[in-house]
Order: sequence, then structure tokens, then C-alpha cells
Amino acid sequence: SAVISQKPSRDICQRGTSLTIQCQVDSQVTMMFWYRQQPGQSLTLIATANQGSEATYESGFVIDKFPISRPNLTFSTLTVSNMSPEDSSIYLCSVLGPGQGRGTEAFFGQGTRLTVV
Amino acid sequence: AQKVTQAQTEISVVEKEDVTLDCVYETRDTTYYLFWYKQPPSGELVFLIRRNSFDEQNEISGRYSWNFQKSTSSFNFTITASQVVDSAVYFCAPRGPYSGAGSYQLTFGKGTKLSVIP
Repeated sequence: SAVISQKPSRDICQRGTSLTIQCQVDSQVTMMFWYRQQPGQSLTLIATANQGSEATYESGFVIDKFPISRPNLTFSTLTVSNMSPEDSSIYLCSVLGPGQGRGTEAFFGQGTRLTVV
Repeated sequence: AQKVTQAQTEISVVEKEDVTLDCVYETRDTTYYLFWYKQPPSGELVFLIRRNSFDEQNEISGRYSWNFQKSTSSFNFTITASQVVDSAVYFCAPRGPYSGAGSYQLTFGKGTKLSVIP
């Protein structure tokens, strides 16, 4: 299994500011995924980040609001820009397990609990 | 279009009872994988078991078991002899067939909150 470290684990931010979340994996992975989990809700995919290419965003998410970097095969960042209280959520980083086949389970970081005031 | 439904919002059981969580995955695709994850109050997502659409044999893994009914597209997940530590939100998450870049992501159901009472 992959070990994923996310930083920060939680933060309280002022509206209008930006927060960058870091995701570090203990092994090289091709794809990394960023999910959002709003309070009491399920997980929604924000984007898929492949090393060496632009991230692919899901409907409803845009690069200006959620810029993503993927500088190498073990690291990615997600920035939540110009935050508003509606951005208060848990943000989770995810990677696929060994083998990367379609039956491979995904592993998740412990999440970043963001509160915007 | 694909749709995953977890109709049970919350379930409460007494410790040592068996509990079944329901998941229906509506899709025209014939090949897919479906995963179950557990999210305890601490927040981390823990992988439990996986199932593919082309193997109809039911499976058991420890206290967890599958019941796949292809005719109704239902993947029911049973915890036998529930324990207080099983209290968590359980998510059903299918992964559809390959369709190009980005098709390895999971689509999560709304989740079922399980409370196991001592």
C-alpha cells in the first residue's frame, strides 16, 4: 500500500486568502487525484494530476480556483484560491495502489480540514 | 449515464448483530470495478474490499462479505458480528471502464453512516 502524507492536516483561513495543500507519497505514482468532501457529504473529484502534464479538472472545478502542481512522481500541491466560506471542506489526496490496473484500490491521505471564516 | 445509490442514510445496530449495507450501481457498462471504503470519525478513508462486474461469485474476507446481484446491479456489503469499532461512514465507489485519461477515478455514493451500539 502507498503511504500518503498531507499537510496541513487542518487550517482556519480568512476569506479572500489562498491555501496550498501538499501531498507527498512514499513511492512513485503516475496519477494523483484530488477530492473535496464538503461537510456531511460524499467525496467529489476535483482533478486528476499526471506528472508532466496539465491537470484534468472535473465539471464545476476550474484551474484558476484550484491550481494544481505536479513537479515529480511523488509530490503534488492543490491551492484553494480566493477562499470563501463555501470552500470549507476536507480536501483529500489519493493515489492508486501498486500495479495501477483498473482493479487497483485507491489510497487516501488523511485529509486537510479547511475552515474559511 | 452512471449512477451509484446508497439508499440507507443511517443505520444503527447492536454490537454482534450482522448488518448489510446496500449499493446500487446503474450503468450500461458491462465491465467495472466497485470498491467499499470506510471513513471512521477520525476522517481517513480506509479501503475494505473490491468487486468486479464479471465475477458473480460472492466473496468473504474476514467479517466482510459481498453479495452481488447482477440482475439488479446491487452490491450489498455485510459485516458479520458487528463491533463498536465498525462505527463509521461506509462509501460504495465504482470505477467504470477505461475511457481515456482520467478514467481511473472513483465515483462515490453518498455514504451510509453505521452506528454500532455496545
